[in-house]
Amino acid sequence: NAGVMQNPRHLVRRRGQEARLRCSPMKGHSHVYWYRQLPEEGLKFMVYLQKENIIDESGMPKERFSAEFPKEGPSILRIQQVVRGDSAAYFCASSPNGADSGNTIYFGEGSWLTVV
Amino acid sequence: RKEVEQDPGPFNVPEGATVAFNCTYSNSASQSFFWYRQDCRKEPKLLMSVYSSGNEDGRFTAQLNRASQYISLLIRDSKLSDSATYLCVVNAGGTSYGKLTFGQGTILTVHP
Repeated sequence: NAGVMQNPRHLVRRRGQEARLRCSPMKGHSHVYWYRQLPEEGLKFMVYLQKENIIDESGMPKERFSAEFPKEGPSILRIQQVVRGDSAAYFCASSPNGADSGNTIYFGEGSWLTVV
Repeated sequence: RKEVEQDPGPFNVPEGATVAFNCTYSNSASQSFFWYRQDCRKEPKLLMSVYSSGNEDGRFTAQLNRASQYISLLIRDSKLSDSATYLCVVNAGGTSYGKLTFGQGTILTVHP
């Protein structure tokens, strides 16, 4: 399956540690999106990146969260000094271009972060 | 007010039943509309796009009313495998490519 690959699928961190979530988009896709799903809630947009550029980070918390999509390698969502409220499923999605069509956005299987 | 609001559910229906989900959105500039399906601890998957003229895909029918900012999904002849959370999704379009706004979802359980 050459779909959107996320790892780790499950991650446990103690409060105050750092969490790094990785996302490799589908082959040929240069646009990456990160979404967060808190327990019992819908997915919330966090950030939209193209290679080496952050296009829209309006959904990112102001502190502790950062994202990058380097020229080489996967996109990384980094959460510093995690707190219990960061426990959630983090979904990455990719698209071949910025086309306005939800049916060209493909989601990865998600990374489940648990903060203890 | 939430940008996308759905029926709170949960819906618990027998096999073969017809069930309808409703959704309203607040951003009148929204350009694209979708229903996604999400199974427990899985990623959301596109079920179908929603067009103003209404569209059907097998047992699923979606309707959009732009004037009322209302979206619906009808599932006929429910199957056990239809049990999932159904997410109403809106895309504002323009420079918001790929920036989807999700409703909180409606849980459907189809029982024998």
